[in-house]
Amino acid sequence: AQTVTQSQPEMSVQEAETVTLSCTYDTSESDYYLFWYKQPPSRQMILVIRQEAYKQQNATENRFSVNFQKAAKSFSLKISDSQLGDAAMYFCALHRRGKLTFGKGITLSVRP
Amino acid sequence: DGGITQSPKYLFRKEGQNVTLSCEQNLNHDAMYWYRQDPGQGLRLIYYSQIVNDFQKGDIAEGYSVSREKKESFPLTVTSAQKNPTAFYLCASSMWQGSYNEQFFGPGTRLTVL
Repeated sequence: AQTVTQSQPEMSVQEAETVTLSCTYDTSESDYYLFWYKQPPSRQMILVIRQEAYKQQNATENRFSVNFQKAAKSFSLKISDSQLGDAAMYFCALHRRGKLTFGKGITLSVRP
Repeated sequence: DGGITQSPKYLFRKEGQNVTLSCEQNLNHDAMYWYRQDPGQGLRLIYYSQIVNDFQKGDIAEGYSVSREKKESFPLTVTSAQKNPTAFYLCASSMWQGSYNEQFFGPGTRLTVL
């Protein structure tokens, strides 16, 4: 069975500052993918960033980057230069054989 | 525009009634999925389908049923056997390419059972 844990239910960041959202996971597989999804108040799920488990290099997408520690089964998301539009719920998810397993999510607020 | 549509956005039903949620995609995706989201919870997989006329149970299939008669459509029926059906329901689709298939999500349906 696969599990994804997001232990922080809420976080807050000052606009233009950097924030890191934590995620740990557990799987017995070696071939999998990890994702961070954003869910704004509209509730539309938006893919933020993905990481292939076989790649050692951490993924980056503009202001978003991850710190992937495979041995520790840790997958944190760093948001740089936070903007008001980053305020949302963020979900960490593990993908294996077509199935996604989600964490419970973290609500990020951005202070102007 | 290609995408996933779910209708209606809000749905109200009386307790004991079955209700069907619609999901349509024009992305030519092979696979389709249904998730349930409750407050303070992540998304949980109800059912998924990799090809037409075939589907598999997810983690919380009890009280739900699906069909996949067309590639574009994957309706979800919430039956009266579902003990706590009030929730937000999300449909997703993806290509089926083996180890990796990015899922694209619809806008969701909020179901309230009175």
